[in-house]
Amino acid sequence: QKEVEQNSGPLSVPEGAIASLNCTYSDRGSQSFFWYRQYSGKSPELIMFIYSNGDKEDGRFTAQLNKASQYVSLLIRDSQPSDSATYLCAVRVGGFKTIFGAGTRLFVKA
Amino acid sequence: GAVVSQHPSRVICKSGTSVKIECRSLDFQATTMFWYRQFPKKSLMLMATSNEGSKATYEQGVEKDKFLINHASLTLSTLTVTSAHPEDSSFYICSAPAFGRDNSPLHFGNGTRLTVT
Repeated sequence: QKEVEQNSGPLSVPEGAIASLNCTYSDRGSQSFFWYRQYSGKSPELIMFIYSNGDKEDGRFTAQLNKASQYVSLLIRDSQPSDSATYLCAVRVGGFKTIFGAGTRLFVKA
Repeated sequence: GAVVSQHPSRVICKSGTSVKIECRSLDFQATTMFWYRQFPKKSLMLMATSNEGSKATYEQGVEKDKFLINHASLTLSTLTVTSAHPEDSSFYICSAPAFGRDNSPLHFGNGTRLTVT
């Protein structure tokens, strides 16, 4: 069964620090990877996608992908209290079918 | 960005009744939509893939006769929870890939919180 694994946290970082979120996946054939943010009681919102090995930067966010290690990560620089949320790693497993990890809860302390 | 609208946002129903949830893609056509459910503090579990003009594809363990999916147009998919029971209470979220846009990530509706009493 195809799986996406994340540390559930909570991960607590002080305001202004770098938050590092990690994800591993089981389907070696997966090519597209996504990070979503979900606030309590709300639906997920897309932060970034990545499909090539290496780093992809967008503002304060950097996604990193290593297909050989089946590993995806998300770095949040200059973390803000408003970044406190659950971060979901998502992997496309065939067609547009996408499965999600359990999410990592992030707390940014002011 | 791509917009997916879901309605209703909240519904409370009595055990044994049926509830219909609508999911619309507002600014793009969606031949495929996905329905997820989420229990408190848990991740999104894919229930089924909704295909325009054909039968939905259900994930293992999801009862197709209980969760009826209809995708009659390129912009609308509906999920009907039939004969709802308290254990069906959950957060139901639809999503659609925005074809042709940046690797077509899934865009989500705002979700429907179903409470069955």
